[in-house]
Order: sequence, then structure tokens, then C-alpha cells
Amino acid sequence: GAGVSQSPSNKVTEKGKDVELRCDPISGHTALYWYRQSLGQGLEFLIYFQGNSAPDKSGLPSDRFSAERTGGSVSTLTIQRTQQEDSAVYLCASRRPGEAEKLFFGSGTQLSVL
Amino acid sequence: GNSVTQMEGPVTLSEEAFLTINCTYTATGYPSLFWYVQYPGEGLQLLLKATKADDKGSNKGFEATYRKETTSFHLEKGSVQVSDSAVYFCALSGGTSGSRLTFGEGTQLTVNP
Repeated sequence: GAGVSQSPSNKVTEKGKDVELRCDPISGHTALYWYRQSLGQGLEFLIYFQGNSAPDKSGLPSDRFSAERTGGSVSTLTIQRTQQEDSAVYLCASRRPGEAEKLFFGSGTQLSVL
Repeated sequence: GNSVTQMEGPVTLSEEAFLTINCTYTATGYPSLFWYVQYPGEGLQLLLKATKADDKGSNKGFEATYRKETTSFHLEKGSVQVSDSAVYFCALSGGTSGSRLTFGEGTQLTVNP
């Protein structure tokens, strides 16, 4: 597709369940980022991929959060044993090699933990 | 570590009014500075950027100047339109942030006809 695609667009889950969020970056974009946007808050960095490796995962809030990227393309963010404070919009972004600042964002996944 | 602080919102203006959204930053080294915009129902997109002190970024009538002496990057537009209604995010990269972008809290702008 032409842009960064995220799925699902909305996810409602019960506390304690695991969820998987998917990101399809723009073809050819080697770098991929996950951010979290909570109500009334700014964007909180979670993890950065360069290719399939994650040189910076310092933003993951706890060991319940993990992410992987395969084939230098699709990435999955997994949240285990979800808590109500995990409710937020999870944003994925990608960028071309050599354009360090210009991120292309998806529309996000709205996660609601009941 | 790096941080970005934006003026508290939301901001409501009438069409053709002058807009200023304040942004200040804390960073080591020489960061690059950005404004991103999020229109309703869309993903964030880059609005403008400046990569060194005294640079002015501009796009779609918006401007921001990189002021190192005041560590600021305020967004301005001389005459806003209803279509400018969106959330605006100030951000920086570089320094201790490395390749990640550090964002401010975002400012909701509503322009009424």
C-alpha cells in the first residue's frame, strides 16, 4: 500500500488477556518505530527497529511488552496480561534510509482494556 | 535526557486569526527540530523542520525558527483556516535521543468559521 498500515484499528480486550498489534510499513522503509499515545499525553516512544533488529527498546514500559519484526517488513507488538493502564492509541511509523527525521505514521490501533 | 514542552491547549481561533503555538526543548548537543500535524482521522505527518540554529522551516503558510539561545521552536501562521484544525506536535531528534523522535504533548487547534 501507499502508507503505513496498522491493524486492527480498534481492539477491545479484557484485563489479563494478551493482544497483538500489527504494523505494515511502507515498502523499502528500513526503520520502524512504535509509539504510544495516551489520552492527554504526548507520544511515548516504545521501540525502534533497524531492519529486523531492535537497537533501542528502552521505551518498553514492562516485560509484558515485546515486539518483533520479520523480513525487514511487518512488525508485531505484543502485550501480555493486559492492564487497564495499557489503554492507549498505539502508533507505528517507518522511514526511508537516509531520511532520519521524516517519519510516516499509520493511523494507529486504539486499544481499550476493560 | 531530551524533552519537549508545548504550550497548554486546546487553542480555539476564528478564521484568519494569527496563530502561535509555543514549543521549548531541552537537549544535549545539536538536535533537529520538527513540527508534526495530525488531522482528524489521519496519521501524523511532518509539517516542517529545521536542522540547525537560526534555520526557519516553512510549509503551508506555517513557519518556525530554531532559536538556540532561547531553546525554542514556536509555530506561527499569519492567517489560519478552518482546514488547519488539527493536533500539532513539536518534536526533536538527535543528541541523546539518537535516531528516535521525542515529542511534546500536542496542542489541539480548532479554527471556527
